[in-house]
Amino acid sequence: QSVLTQPPSVSGAPGQRVTISCTGSSSNIGAGYDVHWYQQLPGTAPKLLIYGNTNRPSGVPDRFSGSKSGTSASLAITGLQAEDEADYYCQSYDSSLSGHVVFGGGTKLTVL
Amino acid sequence: QVQLQESGPGLVKPSQTPSLTCTVSGGSIRSGGYYWSWIRQHPGKGLEWIGYIYYSGSTYYNPSLKSRVTISVDTSKNQFSLKLSSVTAADTAVYYCARASPATGTMSFDYWGQGTLVTVSS
Repeated sequence: QSVLTQPPSVSGAPGQRVTISCTGSSSNIGAGYDVHWYQQLPGTAPKLLIYGNTNRPSGVPDRFSGSKSGTSASLAITGLQAEDEADYYCQSYDSSLSGHVVFGGGTKLTVL
Repeated sequence: QVQLQESGPGLVKPSQTPSLTCTVSGGSIRSGGYYWSWIRQHPGKGLEWIGYIYYSGSTYYNPSLKSRVTISVDTSKNQFSLKLSSVTAADTAVYYCARASPATGTMSFDYWGQGTLVTVSS
């Protein structure tokens, strides 16, 4: 059971908008710690997609955006493309016994 | 461009203590400002943080693995390593090394190695 909760799967048609939620608690997201998002294409290493809740590293399309409110965060993908089909993970810090770094369980995005 | 490359045994026997090494290129571990990390992914599962080390040798471990994990750094070789003791089949996973950046105050992993599969089997 992951400290951060994500839906196991989401799907959308090309061109649509999808969101992926990441729900935490008062010891992680709710405590003010930043949320980061990673994209993992099949058979590859994860890639940093969003850092510091809302920031995109150089080279990440602006179709990807992040937000955070209270004990949750969200990743939004607009103008869905076939190449976006991947696993997405949120990550933050937890001040409880869970340890420094915690990940969500991951969400599989299927482009219909 | 920072690049990381894992190396280590692909197959280990139960109860052994395998060692994995991550070689960093395109940047110096000794320059500071970043933490050097190990993360693993069990087959078909999510990501699990193992721990990280600063160039000075300060280490931080996942409490669930702390008793079996040792991360060390060799700045002369621009490498850092992971030792995991008393492995079982449950430690079979892809092991990634990654650079952790504290840019926003909460660590994010901005560069990753390609990962190396470690299989524990007799």
